[in-house]
Amino acid sequence: GAGVSQSPSNKVTEKGKDVELRCDPISGHTALYWYRQSLGQGLEFLIYFQGNSAPDKSGLPSDRFSAERTGGSVSTLTIQRTQQEDSAVYLCASSLVSLDTQYFGPGTRLTVL
Amino acid sequence: AQSVAQPEDQVNVAEGNPLTVKCTYSVSGNPYLFWYVQYPNRGLQFLLKYITGDNLVKGSYGFEAEFNKSQTSFHLKKPSALVSDSALYFCAVWGGGGATNKLIFGTGTLLAVQP
Repeated sequence: GAGVSQSPSNKVTEKGKDVELRCDPISGHTALYWYRQSLGQGLEFLIYFQGNSAPDKSGLPSDRFSAERTGGSVSTLTIQRTQQEDSAVYLCASSLVSLDTQYFGPGTRLTVL
Repeated sequence: AQSVAQPEDQVNVAEGNPLTVKCTYSVSGNPYLFWYVQYPNRGLQFLLKYITGDNLVKGSYGFEAEFNKSQTSFHLKKPSALVSDSALYFCAVWGGGGATNKLIFGTGTLLAVQP
């Protein structure tokens, strides 16, 4: 079946612009996660959704970062006023239920010039 | 706090030889441990997990991992390496109970299999 999909695959933006990254989880998966992968920080957790609510936002690095999930499915991660240190690969994962195996999408590579 | 360590940045092995990628963990409570693999410009692919039960866990692509509670280790192994196994391997642990189900990842180990 279809896996986790993310769009765009690559995004180049100028410092100070806003960006939106999209994640389509595996159909029926109730839990959704965002992670960030960068050379300096490795793989780090950003936010976790159970259904449409976000019980854990502890990984969001600043108030420029926000995320939402609608209809228990698609999620968007928004970064406002992007900075060069936001450059990274943003990975989305989903699991059937919480405490289950997480399956990852291919990621969105964000480059902030 | 939950954490995992991958002490080797890179592991080199000849094709056909056995391989081991090391992971040690530090957790409070029962450890839920995972291995993922990442090929160039790809997302993470799930290999295997340990939740409970047998200490030897078998996963995808012929990989297995051994949970060792006394040594707090969860090393990834394969009896005979393939060139196509060359990739970046991540060990991960669940971040604990409560409201969070996040994975906490190690720094990754680059596996290079020479033909």
